[in-house]
Amino acid sequence: EAQVTQNPRYLITVTGKKLTVTCSQNMNHEYMSWYRQDPGLGLRQIYYSMNVEVTDKGDVPEGYKVSRKEKRNFPLILESPSPNQTSLYFCASSTNSGVNYGYTFGSGTRLTVV
Amino acid sequence: DQQVKQNSPSLSVQEGRISILNCDYTNSMFDYFLWYKKYPAEGPTFLISISSIKDKNEDGRFTVFLNKSAKHLSLHIVPSQPGDSAVYFCAASVNFGNEKLTFGTGTRLTIIP
Repeated sequence: EAQVTQNPRYLITVTGKKLTVTCSQNMNHEYMSWYRQDPGLGLRQIYYSMNVEVTDKGDVPEGYKVSRKEKRNFPLILESPSPNQTSLYFCASSTNSGVNYGYTFGSGTRLTVV
Repeated sequence: DQQVKQNSPSLSVQEGRISILNCDYTNSMFDYFLWYKKYPAEGPTFLISISSIKDKNEDGRFTVFLNKSAKHLSLHIVPSQPGDSAVYFCAASVNFGNEKLTFGTGTRLTIIP
């Protein structure tokens, strides 16, 4: 089944404790992206990647890092999480060829930073 | 600076009637628009899209209209069904690109049986 898998689904952590949210896709997609969803703000792009070793900042990159060492994986790293990073995070992937269906999204990771 | 705006946070529609969801954008470089549907505890899923060279695209019960001069698009659902109850996001991109989608704030649609 074609899908984007992110883990964990739920995470509660303390301020300052480094964490990584993993994301993997099995569709051989070139593009991958991370979004966060907050009430009243919709989905905002954190980082995106156009291919292996090619990443760029989205609209809200502060406090986050990403890497794209393999085509299928695109982890999101919070080096020193803060309470304002409490949010619902989505990983997504898409292809740069064929019909444009935009992104295929994972099921989300709900992060709480206390 | 919200480049894609959905000014109605919520909308309630009777089952069987038409649902109209609206979206406005400010960036004149946007040339491709998409609608996504999101159920609780799931990621958004693609619904329908439209290129700026068209003013209408239809897929079954869903039709998207684009008014470039007004920088406005709308999603029509006819007839509305209970399973359509969800949050709907519009999104836009530049140069038909997939990598940088800008989303609106979403509209929660509730279909009343």
